[in-house]
Amino acid sequence: KAGVTQTPRYLIKTRGQQVTLSCSPISGHRSVSWYQQTPGQGLQFLFEYFSETQRNKGNFPGRFSGRQFSNSRSEMNVSTLELGDSALYLCASSLWNSGDTQYFGPGTRLTVL
Amino acid sequence: QQQVKQSPQSLIVQKGGISIINCAYENTAFDYFPWYQQFPGKGPALLIAIRPDVSEKKEGRFTISFNKSAKQFSLHIMDSQPGDSATYFCAASSGGSYIPTFGRGTSLIVHP
Repeated sequence: KAGVTQTPRYLIKTRGQQVTLSCSPISGHRSVSWYQQTPGQGLQFLFEYFSETQRNKGNFPGRFSGRQFSNSRSEMNVSTLELGDSALYLCASSLWNSGDTQYFGPGTRLTVL
Repeated sequence: QQQVKQSPQSLIVQKGGISIINCAYENTAFDYFPWYQQFPGKGPALLIAIRPDVSEKKEGRFTISFNKSAKQFSLHIMDSQPGDSATYFCAASSGGSYIPTFGRGTSLIVHP
């Protein structure tokens, strides 16, 4: 079975721009969660999608949004980028919910200049 | 508020030694405790997990010890190998919230 895939792997943007990241979960997995990983804050939960609905949300500003498609693929969007948004963005999929065993993708490394 | 506290932040062990990483949690509703291993440039990968109905779980060289009364759990890596050099994260979640909380991570270096 193919693992979780994320595109692009690396991205460089400037302040004020917006960015869209993509995640394809493991086949059959219906829950997709997004995390931000930074050296200072560690792994922080952004949101979880299940059946095209946002089911849980972490403590991030509204500039961070996401969606899930009928095939469970998910995208996250960050608008009006700030320098502090530079991070590794990880997507994880699981069968039913983020409390189940999660399988992570390789991440997208976002650098904001 | 950090609900899962992980220590140490970094650990250096000689090949063949035992690596021990500890985590403490506050939320008694947590009922699933996984450990993840992350290599540079990769996403975290599930290593081993435990539920509070058992006090220990062993998979190969990796063992989780769980102390429910103390609200602590730890990862033991026996016969540590240079290939074990990675960052290790503990996590905790509950069936009610479905949102896992991660520890800050431990950078493990195993010297040959």
